[in-house]
Amino acid sequence: QVQLVESGGGVVQPGRSLRLSCAASGFTFSTYAMHWVRQAPGKGLEWVALISYDGSNKYYADSVKGRFTISRDNSKNTLYLQMNSLRAEDTAVYYCARGRGQWLERSYFDYWGQGALVTVSS
Amino acid sequence: DIVMTQTPLSLSVTPGQPASISCKSSQSLLHSDGKTYLYWYLQKPGQPPQLLIYEVSNRFSGVPDRFSGSGSGTDFTLKISRVEAEDVGVYYCMQSIQLLRTFGQGTKLEIK
Repeated sequence: QVQLVESGGGVVQPGRSLRLSCAASGFTFSTYAMHWVRQAPGKGLEWVALISYDGSNKYYADSVKGRFTISRDNSKNTLYLQMNSLRAEDTAVYYCARGRGQWLERSYFDYWGQGALVTVSS
Repeated sequence: DIVMTQTPLSLSVTPGQPASISCKSSQSLLHSDGKTYLYWYLQKPGQPPQLLIYEVSNRFSGVPDRFSGSGSGTDFTLKISRVEAEDVGVYYCMQSIQLLRTFGQGTKLEIK
């Protein structure tokens, strides 16, 4: 069965960096686009970033563009989110999600991980 | 950005009774490729969201047939024919016709 397991969350000071990982299993990771979606405490869902199956195309929400970098290592079946210059408003649970659909730019999320909590606080 | 507006924001339903959630988008979700990029997710307490319905009306694998989706253009509805206790949680609609995918505010379903 499809499994996505995030790790790397924690408490970090404003302006610092953190890297999240998402280990995938139960499917051929290298053939699927992947997304990061976040949810601030008690709030709704916000799409963060998207990467194509081979890593050649990457897209970001304006709120994280220039600060966050999505990447993947298909040899390790792992997705990453490098988060730099963190702000208090980045505090959220970060979910990795598998992309589904014919077109990358319009792909949706069919399976989600359990999430990793990132808290940005001094 | 496309704004997704859900109503109601909360719902209290007796088990066995039907429930309905509306989702309206600020722009049409019908693409020139003929598909309508509207999805429904359920986030049960303490869990990540799970996909219920894709492209308006297609139930995802394992989703009970008491869940159904309908609509077109900018107006969409999720219906639960007979609510069960396991259906509690927050329901979100989402669009992916634009790269910046956006979600509705969420509708919290409780059991009476």
